[in-house]
Amino acid sequence: DVVMTQSPLSLPVTLGQPASISCRSSQSLVHSDGNTYLSWFQQRPGQSPRRLIYKVSDRDSGVPDRFSGSGSGTDFTLKISRVEAEDVGVYYCLQHTHWPRAFGQGTKVEI
Amino acid sequence: EVQLLESGGGLVQPGQSLRLSCAASGFTFSSSAMNWVRQAPGKGLEWVSTFSGRTSNTYYADSVKGRFTISRDNSKNTLFLQMNSLRAEDTAVYYCAKEWGIDYWGQGTLVTVSS
Repeated sequence: DVVMTQSPLSLPVTLGQPASISCRSSQSLVHSDGNTYLSWFQQRPGQSPRRLIYKVSDRDSGVPDRFSGSGSGTDFTLKISRVEAEDVGVYYCLQHTHWPRAFGQGTKVEI
Repeated sequence: EVQLLESGGGLVQPGQSLRLSCAASGFTFSSSAMNWVRQAPGKGLEWVSTFSGRTSNTYYADSVKGRFTISRDNSKNTLFLQMNSLRAEDTAVYYCAKEWGIDYWGQGTLVTVSS
């Protein structure tokens, strides 16, 4: 099974400053169709998760452009260019290239 | 607008069964893969099961295989999760989520397994 490892697990941030979360997979997430199925989710306190990024770097509709995703193979990054107060929450990566699907442990972003 | 509304959660004793439902609207349900994802109190997200849209294939996490069954009624745009032989470690909020890439989530329903 693919294991997804996020770091750090806790990320103190300063408003207006950049932030970065790493997600590493135990094997390549490149699918046989050529796509890499790595997504990022935000879960604000008391809310359901919301997808921010899919296929490594495609931003979902309505997601602010301060969020960006990058990476390839087994090494992926979510970046927030300038943290805002509403960005507080837990961020998860998910791989859906292989079965079983696997989430990272989550990274708690706090001001 | 995509809407996913879970129901059926509650308090049950270990060994008992429960059936969750997810009413979907705002998209073509019959051709969409659908998932169940759970989150134990204070913990992270755990994928539970997926029902494909077009091929009727089903997939399960090892932790629930043989105890949980995912199904769907395309005529009623509804997804189900039959949970048997429940254990304390199945206690979680269960989310219904749309598509392979999990682009939309419901609000979740809480399942508590305790004596």
